[in-house]
Amino acid sequence: GENVEQHPSTLSVQEGDSAVIKCTYSDSASNYFPWYKQELGKRPQLIIDIRSNVGEKKDQRIAVTLNKTAKHFSLHITETQPEDSAVYFCAALTYYSSASKIIFGSGTRLSIRP
Amino acid sequence: DAGVIQSPRHEVTEMGQEVTLRCKPISGHDYLFWYRQTMMRGLELLIYFNNNVPIDDSGMPEDRFSAKMPNASFSTLKIQPSEPRDSAVYFCASSTRLRAGNTIYFGEGSWLTVV
Repeated sequence: GENVEQHPSTLSVQEGDSAVIKCTYSDSASNYFPWYKQELGKRPQLIIDIRSNVGEKKDQRIAVTLNKTAKHFSLHITETQPEDSAVYFCAALTYYSSASKIIFGSGTRLSIRP
Repeated sequence: DAGVIQSPRHEVTEMGQEVTLRCKPISGHDYLFWYRQTMMRGLELLIYFNNNVPIDDSGMPEDRFSAKMPNASFSTLKIQPSEPRDSAVYFCASSTRLRAGNTIYFGEGSWLTVV
């Protein structure tokens, strides 16, 4: 069945450095790729997304890239800050007129070292 | 809008008891999802509804779990009988016309502990 693989499962970076989280998906019909951030004890919340007709999208310190040929997409966080510490989930959505499907990756626990 | 509303926020129950979790989606949203989150298994989709109809329940772990959506503004997830391994955070989420750009909004979660 469809699958989304996310790597790494844990990531520790020095404050100010960049962090990169990568996901691969299996369903070539997937056309939307959101990223969620979940702080400790909180709900997952959308931080950035990208559609299949776009290769890159940026919002301040975060950016997402998509390679449809290779079926992978990545989250890039630059100039990391302590508040970036959280679990990050990628997801892939496949839209059908009858029903749609969204599959989440297993999450990456990002820790920012002061 | 108040967002997706879940209740209870926290519940501690004894093994064998029935547990009912409740969810009110965002008004106008026609997709409703139930997820379970644990440290070991991450975020798992249990079931989702479209226009109150269950579309995919392949993630429901076993017959002890059941979910209903009697109308567009209410859904329940029931566990009967509950077991310690059911301890987890259960998230309800909703979306409108699940397609590119219309993403999923999560509730605060229901933290379930079965002792």
